[in-house]
Amino acid sequence: DGGITQSPKYLFRKEGQNVTLSCEQNLNHDAMYWYRQDPGQGLRLIYYSQIVNDFQKGDIAEGYSVSREKKESFPLTVTSAQKNPTAFYLCASSALAADTQYFGPGTRLTVL
Amino acid sequence: QQQVKQSPQSLIVQKGGISIINCAYENTAFDYFPWYQQFPGKGPALLIAIRPDVSEKKEGRFTISFNKSAKQFSLHIMDSQPGDSATYFCAATYIKAAGNKLTFGGGTRVLVKP
Repeated sequence: DGGITQSPKYLFRKEGQNVTLSCEQNLNHDAMYWYRQDPGQGLRLIYYSQIVNDFQKGDIAEGYSVSREKKESFPLTVTSAQKNPTAFYLCASSALAADTQYFGPGTRLTVL
Repeated sequence: QQQVKQSPQSLIVQKGGISIINCAYENTAFDYFPWYQQFPGKGPALLIAIRPDVSEKKEGRFTISFNKSAKQFSLHIMDSQPGDSATYFCAATYIKAAGNKLTFGGGTRVLVKP
């Protein structure tokens, strides 16, 4: 069953804590992406990676960090430096230089 | 400029009616324009996409119209059904760009009344 999985579906964080969101894909895609979605708004790119052990900042990378140690995995850490982390986080993947990005089901992060 | 502007923010249409969503972009380097459909609590799914070498693309009840000179493109949902109720996002990118980064519009929440 191919696709993108994200876990957990819901995540609650206390202020000052770092949390890590998981994203795994078995589509054999080289490129992976993290987006943030706020209510009533479009998706904004946080980080993206085209190859293992390499990643680039997107438009809103401050307060976030990523790693790409394996082709199929691209975890996102929301650090305490992110002042307004409550949002819906979406992971996506695509083949290199391909047009279509495939999205995971998302993780809803709430800061208590 | 990387911005993609989408309108309206929301619309209500009767079953069987036509839903029309408009997007405008500024970067003339964009060469791929997808539309995504998102249901509440789910990730977006690709609905239909167009490249600027054609002015229209139709897939079932969904049609994209593209106006290169005006830098605008629109999604038409014909014979709208209650199951079409979702949020629709337009996006744009240029395929050769590093990372194939999509720039999204703000989204349109569509409600189809039975």
